[in-house]
Amino acid sequence: NAGVMQNPRHLVRRRGQEARLRCSPMKGHSHVYWYRQLPEEGLKFMVYLQKENIIDESGMPKERFSAEFPKEGPSILRIQQVVRGDSAAYFCASSPSVREETQYFGPGTRLLVL
Amino acid sequence: SQQGEEDPQALSIQEGENATMNCSYKTSINNLQWYRQNSGRGLVHLILIRSNEREKHSGRLRVTLDTSKKSSSLLITASRAADTASYFCAAASGGSYIPTFGRGTSLIVHP
Repeated sequence: NAGVMQNPRHLVRRRGQEARLRCSPMKGHSHVYWYRQLPEEGLKFMVYLQKENIIDESGMPKERFSAEFPKEGPSILRIQQVVRGDSAAYFCASSPSVREETQYFGPGTRLLVL
Repeated sequence: SQQGEEDPQALSIQEGENATMNCSYKTSINNLQWYRQNSGRGLVHLILIRSNEREKHSGRLRVTLDTSKKSSSLLITASRAADTASYFCAAASGGSYIPTFGRGTSLIVHP
């Protein structure tokens, strides 16, 4: 059973470009969570999605950031018009249900904005 | 504000010694979890302890929870160089099962 997969592992973008981060949850998991980690910091919750639904986006910046989890395919975290402050590690986690408190994390995507 | 705050920020010990990390939180919790993160990697779940539990063990790991003091501790016994990592506590509170992470404790175990 493959774990949570994220790609790309590293992404370099210039200011103003778009960044698309992908997350494939573990098999059988329909709940996906995105977190951002700045250097020397803990993880900050961004958004929680189930298939085709955004359940909680209280941690998402109001502009430029969006997330989706379509019926088919991976979850996508999209950052438009990236700025240097978006440079961070972005982690995806999945769980079979929200009441399954343990979340299984992917290896992360490290975004560098030049 | 952080729901979980780890202490100390950094810990350096010799192989074979025990390592103790503490976590404090602010509001009543449903559960508290400890994760490990190796440099440049994702998080690995270690232990979940629920609000009605006081202690849990997993191999060389021992987690305690004191809800009256709003604190938890993670003890790693007989540490190994491979235990070198950052350790995070994450607390879920209220009606949410989404954990809030602290800044972590950076543990270095010298061989």
